[in-house]
Amino acid sequence: KNQVEQSPQSLIILEGKNCTLQCNYTVSPFSNLRWYKQDTGRGPVSLTIMTFSENTKSNGRYTATLDADTKQSSLHITASQLSDSASYICVVSDRGSTLGRLYFGRGTQLTVWP
Amino acid sequence: EADIYQTPRYLVIGTGKKITLECSQTMGHDKMYWYQQDPGMELHLIHYSYGVNSTEKGDLSSESTVSRIRTEHFPLTLESARPSHTSQYLCASSRTQPHTDTQYFGPGTRLTVL
Repeated sequence: KNQVEQSPQSLIILEGKNCTLQCNYTVSPFSNLRWYKQDTGRGPVSLTIMTFSENTKSNGRYTATLDADTKQSSLHITASQLSDSASYICVVSDRGSTLGRLYFGRGTQLTVWP
Repeated sequence: EADIYQTPRYLVIGTGKKITLECSQTMGHDKMYWYQQDPGMELHLIHYSYGVNSTEKGDLSSESTVSRIRTEHFPLTLESARPSHTSQYLCASSRTQPHTDTQYFGPGTRLTVL
């Protein structure tokens, strides 16, 4: 069972609307959580990174939240644009090994329509 | 924009051929990684390297091999390609341990084995 679950699997919204993507994880011991944006046919690009003590972080129109107690994170996109169409991947890392293993979610495929 | 490059971007090849996927970065990162990603699925780590002459297998068993003779270069080789190797291969690098530092991804190589 994947230790990082994302929902919804896919989402379609109209340009200008807001949306929220969810990430639940079971990774322990927790080190940090990242959200990546992956455009079709490209590699993922980091949007935000949050450690245990942080519960919100913004990057332009992207705002990520983290509740380490319930092991949930969300990515809120404000005033969506066509260029926001992409897969958004939640990545959680542990601190229990030298490698610091990364656990990847399957992503939420966001489509923004004009 | 990350300075990490992959060639070729797309490759269609017949069964049994030997192929090498190239990855290079100009950021001076010691840590480099290869991931395999199928459509709608999470990224799986297949190889990683902590520096020159250091290579390790990742979480997902792979018939590919890697080498790290120079810091900036981390090629992946398949001695005899099979249809089951059809996938997207992503190369990444980071300055320090992945659980403390952001990974920068290349654009990926889409491999199709007929």
